Amino acid sequence: DAGVIQSPRHEVTEMGQEVTLRCKPISGHNSLFWYRQTMMRGLELLIYFNNNVPIDDSGMPEDRFSAKMPNASFSTLKIQPSEPRDSAVYFCASSPWTSGGEQYFGPGTRLTVT
Amino acid sequence: AQTVTQSQPEMSVQEAETVTLSCTYDTSESDYYLFWYKQPPSRQMILVIRQEAYKQQNATENRFSVNFQKAAKSFSLKISDSQLGDAAMYFCAYRRVNGGSQGNLIFGKGTKLSVKP
Repeated sequence: DAGVIQSPRHEVTEMGQEVTLRCKPISGHNSLFWYRQTMMRGLELLIYFNNNVPIDDSGMPEDRFSAKMPNASFSTLKIQPSEPRDSAVYFCASSPWTSGGEQYFGPGTRLTVT
Repeated sequence: AQTVTQSQPEMSVQEAETVTLSCTYDTSESDYYLFWYKQPPSRQMILVIRQEAYKQQNATENRFSVNFQKAAKSFSLKISDSQLGDAAMYFCAYRRVNGGSQGNLIFGKGTKLSVKP
């Protein structure tokens, strides 16, 4: 299995631009999570989906952030407009319904907003 | 709300020696999962070990083992025979079990482990 796939691996953009991060979960996993990692706040959940349905989006910072999961094999996290404080590493993770609770992480997207 | 605390921002160990990383957590749940994840400089999050709260036996994975003290809400990671490749950030994480629902991970702030040759 290829594992969780994220793209792009690195993104540099200017303040005010739209940014779209992409994730392909492991085939057969029905839960998908978006996390953000910063030095100040550590690793924090943004949103997660079960069976393509958003379950908890309380971690989404504000209306500038949106996430979708149109099907079981693809999810996007969009930031519009982007701001310098959005600079972080964004991780996507997936897990199967029946498991020991572990989540499998993608390699992350390092976002820099100038 | 559940919280996870790692009180050691940095630790250092000599190659081939043993080191223990500390983690405490707070929850009112009786059933949950606990994890240790490793994040090397490549930033990939790698699962090291998992513990189910209902199991009294401490989990082990080769050179990695945990000391799970449920009453004390403590979950430490012991790395034996430390290797240079063990150098990384280590995150303790908690995940609730709620029926069949798959909840998110709650992470500690991490411990940076250095291994001296």
